[in-house]
Amino acid sequence: DAGVIQSPRHEVTEMGQEVTLRCKPISGHNSLFWYRQTMMRGLELLIYFNNNVPIDDSGMPEDRFSAKMPNASFSTLKIQPSEPRDSAVYFCASSLVGTGNQPQHFGDGTRLSIL
Amino acid sequence: QKEVEQDPGPLSVPEGAIVSLNCTYSNSAFQYFMWYRQYSRKGPELLMYTYSSGNKEDGRFTAQVDKSSKYISLFIRDSQPSDSATYLCAMSGSGGGADGLTFGKGTHLIIQP
Repeated sequence: DAGVIQSPRHEVTEMGQEVTLRCKPISGHNSLFWYRQTMMRGLELLIYFNNNVPIDDSGMPEDRFSAKMPNASFSTLKIQPSEPRDSAVYFCASSLVGTGNQPQHFGDGTRLSIL
Repeated sequence: QKEVEQDPGPLSVPEGAIVSLNCTYSNSAFQYFMWYRQYSRKGPELLMYTYSSGNKEDGRFTAQVDKSSKYISLFIRDSQPSDSATYLCAMSGSGGGADGLTFGKGTHLIIQP
């Protein structure tokens, strides 16, 4: 079975540029999560969706960050304009929520470097 | 105080040893507890998923939850070099998939052949 698919795996760009990270959740899952991992802060939740609707975006650090989920099989996380402190590994996870909640399954992340 | 505390290690043990990893937490609303394993440059992989207090065993892995002490543990028996990775504890108030997870910072484990 295909797991959570993220693209690109690596992104290097200059400060001020727009960055778009993409995620395809596991087919049939109805919840999607974006996390950021840094050495200093570990894994932190940015935002999550249920049935394509944003439920909690309190972890989004600034207005420069935005996320969308136009359909059940695709989500994007956008940073505009990007800054060096945004450098981190960004993970997407998905789960099935309903009768008997299931745990989250993670993709392999996008390693983002802002120069 | 961070919501979830986890010793970052590194923890180095010889092959075959029993490994004990643990986390403490402060939020009494946490009901679901998970352990993830993360290899270098890969995403976290779910190892154990437990609800409330008690023990759960799966092969060489045993997870323990003590809600009264706000303390969770993961034991690895007969440790193998392939177990070398970072182990992350995670927890949530509702089902592990229904809301965001709060993670410890991870313990880096090294199994020496």
